[in-house]
Amino acid sequence: SAVISQKPSRDICQRGTSLTIQCQVDSQVTMMFWYRQQPGQSLTLIATANQGSEATYESGFVIDKFPISRPNLTFSTLTVSNMSPEDSSIYLCSVLGAISGITYGYTFGSGTRLTVV
Amino acid sequence: DAKTTQPTSMDCAEGRAANLPCNHSTISGNEYVYWYRQIHSQGPQYIIHGLKNNETNEMASLIITEDRKSSTLILPHATLRDTAVYYCIVTSGTYKYIFGTGTRLKVLA
Repeated sequence: SAVISQKPSRDICQRGTSLTIQCQVDSQVTMMFWYRQQPGQSLTLIATANQGSEATYESGFVIDKFPISRPNLTFSTLTVSNMSPEDSSIYLCSVLGAISGITYGYTFGSGTRLTVV
Repeated sequence: DAKTTQPTSMDCAEGRAANLPCNHSTISGNEYVYWYRQIHSQGPQYIIHGLKNNETNEMASLIITEDRKSSTLILPHATLRDTAVYYCIVTSGTYKYIFGTGTRLKVLA
């Protein structure tokens, strides 16, 4: 299955600042997504990162707050802008590809744990 | 919204089978049932998936009812390392995953 590297693994940031999270995949993938997981909650889809075009955002998420780049088929970034304590969450990258033998599905990165103070 | 409903939490004795149910009454004919689990502070990990037949792999078994409106994930001999949140996801395969609340399984020594 695809191996995903997310950086940073964790960070503590001051409110009002921005953080860019990187997602690097060891193979070319077509579909790439960004999720948020608030403390004690399930995963919520933020957006689909589209290669060569603007990301597709889910309801409740906007580009000004969560700008996403995807310059090629192996890399994407998510920026959390103008952060507030409510942005404290785990942010996860996910890609579509082979996950077990010929099984096709989504692989997830280990996540970026963000704390905003 | 998620297409699945699961119990919020379950306990299981170590060494016993853990049976985790999932309801997906609005599942479409081309949609699969995927199961993932998330161990604390890690990304979700794939366990198993199926369309309409029962499936088994080295990790678990998946039983899907004949009408496909519900399924059960079976961990045959639960260990303490199986303590995690288990997510049942209904998807057409390449479509985005929408997560429900999941079941928090606690395996007791």
